Amino acid sequence: GQQVMQIPQYQHVQEGEDFTTYCNSSTTLSNIQWYKQRPGGHPVFLIQLVKSGEVKKQKRLTFQFGEAKKNSSLHITATQTTDVGTYFCAGRASGTSYGKLTFGQGTILTVHP
Amino acid sequence: GAGVSQSPRYKVAKRGQDVALRCDPISGHVSLFWYQQALGQGPEFLTYFQNEAQLDKSGLPSDRFFAERPEGSVSTLKIQRTQQEDSAVYLCASSLALRPEALHFGNGTRLTVT
Repeated sequence: GQQVMQIPQYQHVQEGEDFTTYCNSSTTLSNIQWYKQRPGGHPVFLIQLVKSGEVKKQKRLTFQFGEAKKNSSLHITATQTTDVGTYFCAGRASGTSYGKLTFGQGTILTVHP
Repeated sequence: GAGVSQSPRYKVAKRGQDVALRCDPISGHVSLFWYQQALGQGPEFLTYFQNEAQLDKSGLPSDRFFAERPEGSVSTLKIQRTQQEDSAVYLCASSLALRPEALHFGNGTRLTVT
């Protein structure tokens, strides 16, 4: 079955440093979404990417979808303590039902002030 | 406005008991999803509804798991004869569109089977 892997599993940064998490799928994706989950909370939708090579920005966050639509990345510039949480990518494999997203295992980000 | 509401927030069940978990989606949201999240892992897909139709139940781990959404709004996930490996957070999410984009998750039900 489809697998979605994220690296790194953990990332510790000093406030102000940059952070990147990478997501790789074993199969071609129709789309990819990113979610943030704060400790004790639920996943919150950040963005969806659909097109090959697509790049989207949200303030300090930059999201990329690979040309082959099998990988994606999230980059945070100048991290802040409010960025703490687990970042998940979630992809829908081509040919699967619209509702079925496969999540990665997440990258846990801690930011030291 | 109100988000996705799940109840109970916590449930402790003895092995072998049946449980029912409720999800109230955001009003007007067509699509509804159930995911299972084990500690330290990403959510895993269980099942998906569009209105009252269950379009994909490929993620349900066994025939002990059953989900319904009879009127296209509230949904219930039922687990029969619970086992310890069923212990997890059960997340419900809803989406406005027929072709889902953003999933809006509830706070989940934490099920502990003893």
